[in-house]
Amino acid sequence: GDSVTQMEGPVTLSEEAFLTINCTYTATGYPSLFWYVQYPGEGLQLLLKATKADDKGSNKGFEATYRKETTSFHLEKGSVQVSDSAVYFCALSETGNQFYFGTGTSLTVIP
Amino acid sequence: GAVVSQHPSWVICKSGTSVKIECRSLDFQATTMFWYRQFPKQSLMLMATSNEGSKATYEQGVEKDKFLINHASLTLSTLTVTSAHPEDSSFYICSAGPGTANTEAFFGQGTRLTVV
Repeated sequence: GDSVTQMEGPVTLSEEAFLTINCTYTATGYPSLFWYVQYPGEGLQLLLKATKADDKGSNKGFEATYRKETTSFHLEKGSVQVSDSAVYFCALSETGNQFYFGTGTSLTVIP
Repeated sequence: GAVVSQHPSWVICKSGTSVKIECRSLDFQATTMFWYRQFPKQSLMLMATSNEGSKATYEQGVEKDKFLINHASLTLSTLTVTSAHPEDSSFYICSAGPGTANTEAFFGQGTRLTVV
């Protein structure tokens, strides 16, 4: 079945540091891949997505590239800010409706 | 863009009572909605798939008699936690989408349920 394996946290970084959160997946078909962000006390917000191999999703300085050969979708940001502190979820969906989530990675950015 | 509205955003109830959570798609019709549960510091786990006009499909280990799902219209699904207990305290979140190719679902704001 489909599943997502995500780097466990928590992750603590200083402001302006480089961020990588690893994500690998297993899927029976050709899924779309997503990164969602959850700020404290809030629901999920779509951060970025990629729908096919070699696509790069990007938003707010975050990037992730759909790598079919390594079944990965690692999240990166060159310079994190305090406001990026949140929990990040990697997810996949084959239908666009039902999602499979990773365990989430908590990121804390300190000034 | 498409919006999914979930209500209430938080609720506190006494053990043994029932709580109803609503999930609405505001500007599109959704024949299918999904309910997830998130325990503290854990990921979201799919509980059930809500199907308009038919019975919901529950994931393994989810008690269908405890978590009643009703999808009476194309824009509304409800999750009722019956005879709630403290172990049911969790963050419940719904999702729905137009269901078209390459169009992802949208998530509600979530409901924080605390059973005391």
